[in-house]
Amino acid sequence: AQKVTQAQTEISVVEKEDVTLDCVYETRDTTYYLFWYKQPPSGELVFLIRRNSFDEQNEISGRYSWNFQKSTSSFNFTITASQVVDSAVYFCALSEANPSEDYKLSFGAGTTVTVRA
Amino acid sequence: DGGITQSPKYLFRKEGQNVTLSCEQNLNHDAMYWYRQDPGQGLRLIYYSQIVNDFQKGDIAEGYSVSREKKESFPLTVTSAQKNPTAFYLCASSIPYGLAGDARESYEQYFGPGTRLTVT
Repeated sequence: AQKVTQAQTEISVVEKEDVTLDCVYETRDTTYYLFWYKQPPSGELVFLIRRNSFDEQNEISGRYSWNFQKSTSSFNFTITASQVVDSAVYFCALSEANPSEDYKLSFGAGTTVTVRA
Repeated sequence: DGGITQSPKYLFRKEGQNVTLSCEQNLNHDAMYWYRQDPGQGLRLIYYSQIVNDFQKGDIAEGYSVSREKKESFPLTVTSAQKNPTAFYLCASSIPYGLAGDARESYEQYFGPGTRLTVT
């Protein structure tokens, strides 16, 4: 069963627009971790943020912000005032912190963001 | 600089040949992972290793083999048994889970630049 769903396949915006990426996850564990990664055209995945299931405080880091809502099993990511350099594929991932899963990451299919000048 | 290196960046092989992809890290991480990425898709776990001399199959291990003789190195061999080997391969490493005492913590994985393998 799909544990992480990123329903948006592609998003295209003009520079300076805000972009929100949706991520919905599924787990029966009470302890779990959520992650966002960015994959620019070069291919290397860049770690952006890690969140545990007990910390629902939303976070802002520069132009990036994250909205974690356990009630809807969502961990959405917003880029404010997008720039061309934000063009990349963004992945949401889940780690169910239990030994039977070996704390592996389950990735969503990714959302391709294209920012046009 | 600490990081993960994968070589080569591009690799071409003829069908029926085994090929080994290199992954080295100097982050002092115990855990290492291999993923496969196909165009337009997410990452699928091939093999992972939480400690030296031990490794586990991931979701798509068939046709692949690994070894973990040193903490720094986790090479992946794509064998001729792998039916569809052309893909982008990513190696990652992380602090192993549960490092903070009994806390069930899971840590972020750091990725290498990837190897794009083409088999014809």
